[in-house]
Amino acid sequence: GQQLNQSPQSMFIQEGEDVSMNCTSSSIFNTWLWYKQDPGEGPVLLIALYKAGELTSNGRLTAQFGITRKDSFLNISASIPSDVGIYFCAGRNSGGSNYKLTFGKGTLLTVNP
Amino acid sequence: DADVTQTPRNRITKTGKRIMLECSQTKGHDRMYWYRQDPGLGLRLIYYSFDVKDINKGEISDGYSVSRQAQAKFSLSLESAIPNQTALYFCATSDGGQVAGELFFGEGSRLTVL
Repeated sequence: GQQLNQSPQSMFIQEGEDVSMNCTSSSIFNTWLWYKQDPGEGPVLLIALYKAGELTSNGRLTAQFGITRKDSFLNISASIPSDVGIYFCAGRNSGGSNYKLTFGKGTLLTVNP
Repeated sequence: DADVTQTPRNRITKTGKRIMLECSQTKGHDRMYWYRQDPGLGLRLIYYSFDVKDINKGEISDGYSVSRQAQAKFSLSLESAIPNQTALYFCATSDGGQVAGELFFGEGSRLTVL
């Protein structure tokens, strides 16, 4: 099946630093999504990308859909303590009535005040 | 109140016991899912349902079964629990008419099988 390689697995940064994480795939996706999971909660959608080359921002977050459709990155600028959590990328291939998201293994982000 | 509610939130059981995790939603979505989260493995799809009469296996359905009792309810059963089913389980919903790919997750059910 399709697999996503998400890196890094974990990051320890100081408050105020910028963060970058990425996902790569061996196959093409039509949609890339980035989710965040706060401790003790379920994942929440941060950004959705639908077109190759698309660059989308949401506050301090910026994500891009790679031109090859096989990769995506997420940047967080000027990190703050509440950015702590697990970030997941997810890819989707839509076709007919089928729908399936493939998730990366997550990046655990720790922000030191 | 949460839009996607899971019960129980925590459960400790013994090997061989039957366990049911329940999920209910007030979002009015047709599509519901059950995922399993293990440290370092991300989220893996167990089963999904596009409507009340539709049930589909995900990538790790062995040892699990589901029931879609109503549009708003989707339960996950472990007929005979085993220790490697110890994990955090998430129910999720989506509406194909909204942001494509946006899943709304519950708060999770942590299951420990001794």
